[in-house]
Amino acid sequence: KAGVTQTPRYLIKTRGQQVTLSCSPISGHRSVSWYQQTPGQGLQFLFEYFSETQRNKGNFPGRFSGRQFSNSRSEMNVSTLELGDSALYLCASSSGTGSGSPLHFGNGTRLTVT
Amino acid sequence: QKEVEQDPGPLSVPEGAIVSLNCTYSNSAFQYFMWYRQYSRKGPELLMYTYSSGNKEDGRFTAQVDKSSKYISLFIRDSQPSDSATYLCAMSETGGGNKLTFGTGTQLKVEL
Repeated sequence: KAGVTQTPRYLIKTRGQQVTLSCSPISGHRSVSWYQQTPGQGLQFLFEYFSETQRNKGNFPGRFSGRQFSNSRSEMNVSTLELGDSALYLCASSSGTGSGSPLHFGNGTRLTVT
Repeated sequence: QKEVEQDPGPLSVPEGAIVSLNCTYSNSAFQYFMWYRQYSRKGPELLMYTYSSGNKEDGRFTAQVDKSSKYISLFIRDSQPSDSATYLCAMSETGGGNKLTFGTGTQLKVEL
């Protein structure tokens, strides 16, 4: 069974630009969550989608948004990029959205903002 | 103060040693506790998942949760160089969906 696939693996953008990251969950998984990982803050929850509906949202500004499609694939978008948005963005999928449903992570998209 | 505290290390041990990794937390609503392993340039990989207090064993790995002390541990027996990675604890609340709160990770190096 294929794991969680994230594209692209690496991105370099300029301040003020916007970026879209893509995530394909494990086949059959309907929940997709996004996390930001930085050396200073560690892994922080961005948002969770289940059946195309946002179920939960972390404490990030409105510049961070996401969506989920009917095939469970998900995208996240960051607008008006800032230097502090440089991070590893991780997508995770699970079969359910009940607390404790094991999350399976992709290898992330490394975003560098210059 | 962070909700979840984890010693960042680095922790260096000889091959075959028993490794103890720990996290403390402040949110008494946390009910689900996980340990993830992350290799360089890879995403976190789920190692152990426990609900509420107690112990769970899987091969060389044992996870312990003490909710009264708000303290969780991961023990690795007979450590191998392939165990060298960053270990992350994570927790979630009942009704919190898939929102996990992570520790900052402990970097472990197992030396020959």
